Amino acid sequence: DTGVSQNPRHKITKRGQNVTFRCDPISEHNRLYWYRQTLGQGPEFLTYFQNEAQLEKSRLLSDRFSAERPKGSFSTLEIQRTEQGDSAMYLCASDPSAGNTIYFGEGSWLTVV
Amino acid sequence: AQSVTQLGSHVSVSEGALVLLRCNYSSSVPPYLFWYVQYPNQGLQLLLKYTSAATLVKGINGFEAEFKKSETSFHLTKPSAHMSDAAEYFCAVRTNTGTASKLTFGTGTRLQVTL
Repeated sequence: DTGVSQNPRHKITKRGQNVTFRCDPISEHNRLYWYRQTLGQGPEFLTYFQNEAQLEKSRLLSDRFSAERPKGSFSTLEIQRTEQGDSAMYLCASDPSAGNTIYFGEGSWLTVV
Repeated sequence: AQSVTQLGSHVSVSEGALVLLRCNYSSSVPPYLFWYVQYPNQGLQLLLKYTSAATLVKGINGFEAEFKKSETSFHLTKPSAHMSDAAEYFCAVRTNTGTASKLTFGTGTRLQVTL
C-alpha cells in the first residue's frame, strides 16, 4: 500500500493556460474523489468516481474543469483557461466501497500568475 | 445538510500543556466524524474517526476525541503538547449520497506550540 499519489506537487502557470493533475489512488480502491483547498479554508468536494464512472460533480466544478478516470485506476483533473481564482491545492482521495475512511494524497499546488 | 463548526481558528499552547481543539457538528442522522491533521504544504492525514462504536476514540500521536451526542460535539484532545504537533487540524463529517462518501470539513484550527 503506497498511499494516494499525486503529481505534479507544484505547478505555476500563466493565466489562460491549461493544466492537468494526475492522481493514482490506493490500489483496489474503487472510489476516487477530488477536493479543492484554498488558503485558510478546509477542503471542498469537487467530484467523485466509482471505478471509471463520474457519478457526482459539485457546482464548484465549472465547465473549465474536467476530470476523467478512463480505466478505473488513475484519474486526471484538467483545468482549461486557468484564472487566478483557480490557485489552490487540489487534493485527491480514495476509499474502498466497503470502507469508511477516506485517504488523501499530498495534494497538488496550483499557482496561476 | 450535515456540517461541522470549528471554534477558534488559532490555538496556542505551551509544550507539555493540554491541547483542546473544538468541533461541533450538525447532522440529522447519526454522524461519522473525523479529525485530520495537515502539516505545511502537505495533504491530510487521518488522526482518528468516530463510526458509532465507542464514544471515546483514540487516534495516532496520542490524540483522542470524545463523541457527545447531547452536546453535538467531537472535541480533539491531547494531554501533553509536543512541538511536532504544530499543524492545521480539520474536523469533518461524512455524508453518504448515492454511492459516494463525501467529507464536509470545518475551516480548520491552526495549533501553535510554544516553548
